[in-house]
Amino acid sequence: EAQVTQNPRYLITVTGKKLTVTCSQNMNHEYMSWYRQDPGLGLRQIYYSMNVEVTDKGDVPEGYKVSRKEKRNFPLILESPSPNQTSLYFCASSLSGTSEAFFGQGTRLTVV
Amino acid sequence: AQKVTQAQTEISVVEKEDVTLDCVYETRDTTYYLFWYKQPPSGELVFLIRRNSFDEQNEISGRYSWNFQKSTSSFNFTITASQVVDSAVYFCALSEGGMNTGFQKLVFGTGTRLLVSP
Repeated sequence: EAQVTQNPRYLITVTGKKLTVTCSQNMNHEYMSWYRQDPGLGLRQIYYSMNVEVTDKGDVPEGYKVSRKEKRNFPLILESPSPNQTSLYFCASSLSGTSEAFFGQGTRLTVV
Repeated sequence: AQKVTQAQTEISVVEKEDVTLDCVYETRDTTYYLFWYKQPPSGELVFLIRRNSFDEQNEISGRYSWNFQKSTSSFNFTITASQVVDSAVYFCALSEGGMNTGFQKLVFGTGTRLLVSP
């Protein structure tokens, strides 16, 4: 089954404790992105990647890192999480830059 | 900077009513893409439609239809004869940036929550 898989689905952590949210797709897509969803703000793009080793900032990259060492994986790293990074995170992949995005099921992160 | 406005925060209708969700966008690019996504209460995001800036034809898919008007920078979504299963948050999105970004710079509106009651 074609899918984008995020882990974990739920995470509660403390301020400053590094964490990684994994994202993997099995569709051989070149394009992958991370978004955060907050009430009243919709989805905002954090980072995107057009190919292995090619990443760029979206609209809200501060406090996040990404890497794309393999085509299928695009982890999101929070080096020192803060409470304002409490949010619902989505990973997405697409075949090309202009095609529909397939989204993961989301990761609800709470930073206390 | 690009921007997508969904002015309707929440809409409530009774089943079988028609409803239109508005989307207005801003961009300086001549080539761009517009999307609609649905987020049902279960939380996943589901693709509904994609439209490029050169194709202003309206589209109909079952009870769903989309009206794209470049003159007013709008890409509105109409559900005909709404059903309870249409209850969801609907997002309009704009991608631009050309090949430099692979059109991957995607901006979403804040979403419209549609509640369809029986």
